[in-house]
Amino acid sequence: KAGVTQTPRYLIKTRGQQVTLSCSPISGHRSVSWYQQTPGQGLQFLFEYFSETQRNKGNFPGRFSGRQFSNSRSEMNVSTLELGDSALYLCASSFTGSTGELFFGEGSRLTVL
Amino acid sequence: GQQLNQSPQSMFIQEGEDVSMNCTSSSIFNTWLWYKQDPGEGPVLLIALYKAGELTSNGRLTAQFGITRKDSFLNISASIPSDVGIYFCAGPPALTGNQFYFGTGTSLTVIP
Repeated sequence: KAGVTQTPRYLIKTRGQQVTLSCSPISGHRSVSWYQQTPGQGLQFLFEYFSETQRNKGNFPGRFSGRQFSNSRSEMNVSTLELGDSALYLCASSFTGSTGELFFGEGSRLTVL
Repeated sequence: GQQLNQSPQSMFIQEGEDVSMNCTSSSIFNTWLWYKQDPGEGPVLLIALYKAGELTSNGRLTAQFGITRKDSFLNISASIPSDVGIYFCAGPPALTGNQFYFGTGTSLTVIP
């Protein structure tokens, strides 16, 4: 069974640009959640989607948005990039989203210059 | 979001030694998950626990779901260099149950 796939793995952007990250969950999983990981802040919850609906949202500004498609694939977008957005963005999938096991992708490393 | 209290923050041990770390919360959990993360990679699920008092092993790793349901423990026996990494606990609180919370991580260094 294929794991969670995130693309791209690495990307470099400049301040003010926008970025879109993609996540394909494990087959059969309907929940996709996104996390931002930085050395100082640890894993910070961004949002969770289940069956194309955003169910939960963390405390991030509106520049961070996401969506989920009918095939459960998800994208997150960050607009007007700031230096502080440099981080490892992790996608995780699970069958239900709030119980059971959560499986992570390898992450997308974003560097903002 | 809320973070779980995980200790110790870091450990430096000799190869072959045993390791213990724990995770505590002020809330009751129905599930405890333990992950290992290598630098620049995503966390990998090591062990999942579903019942208070449950003791589960995965090779040299053993984890326990605390009987109060507010804590969990991870032990690594006979550590080897590839055990190096950051270990996280995680789980959804029983009462809210709408998202996963994560520990702050334990950084493990194994000295050959």
